[in-house]
Amino acid sequence: DAKTTQPPSMDCAEGRAANLPCNHSTISGNEYVYWYRQIHSQGPQYIIHGLKNNETNEMASLIITEDRKSSTLILPHATLRDTAVYYCIVRVYNNNDMRFGAGTRLTVKP
Amino acid sequence: GAVVSQHPSWVICKSGTSVKIECRSLDFQATTMFWYRQFPKQSLMLMATSNEGSKATYEQGVEKDKFLINHASLTLSTLTVTSAHPEDSSFYICSARDWGQGRSGNTIYFGEGSWLTVV
Repeated sequence: DAKTTQPPSMDCAEGRAANLPCNHSTISGNEYVYWYRQIHSQGPQYIIHGLKNNETNEMASLIITEDRKSSTLILPHATLRDTAVYYCIVRVYNNNDMRFGAGTRLTVKP
Repeated sequence: GAVVSQHPSWVICKSGTSVKIECRSLDFQATTMFWYRQFPKQSLMLMATSNEGSKATYEQGVEKDKFLINHASLTLSTLTVTSAHPEDSSFYICSARDWGQGRSGNTIYFGEGSWLTVV
């Protein structure tokens, strides 16, 4: 699976949009982009995934660049409960496991 | 989304004893489950892949005789830490792959994690 690069930390004001970038310049054509988050002392929570089209669900939006070398996870109205470590993972759809990098520690401030 | 449950949430055991952690997929069948370990302020590290009805596949450097994995049914995998030592104290997390229909198909869901403290 392709490697990803994320900033180690970000801050966001409560109520504002949080935009978390991820670089995956070596992504292959059959690899999806997955986003998970881990709130302190809990297991990771699935957020969203996509291949090449932008995706949106009740939690977030995923914007993937046309060349698929980078993506952005958008939390439209961040709350204090969104404070967590966010992981961007690139993985072949039928591949078994999910391997985690260091992620981005997002802190939402009042 | 699908639900994966772990038990116990936290456990304290004496050095030299064994402890078992259960991982259940509550609303889907999981032929494959995964076990991770996470030390404080570090990312998750994959330990092994648990396959229903067959032997688990361990990552390099993980002792299979120390971390026994059993996947006896389509909804349950167990991790047994044998002869536990203080350095085994960690946050253990399982996950399971949901092959269900729709966009969530082939998404991996994680349990709540289990804190192990060996004293």
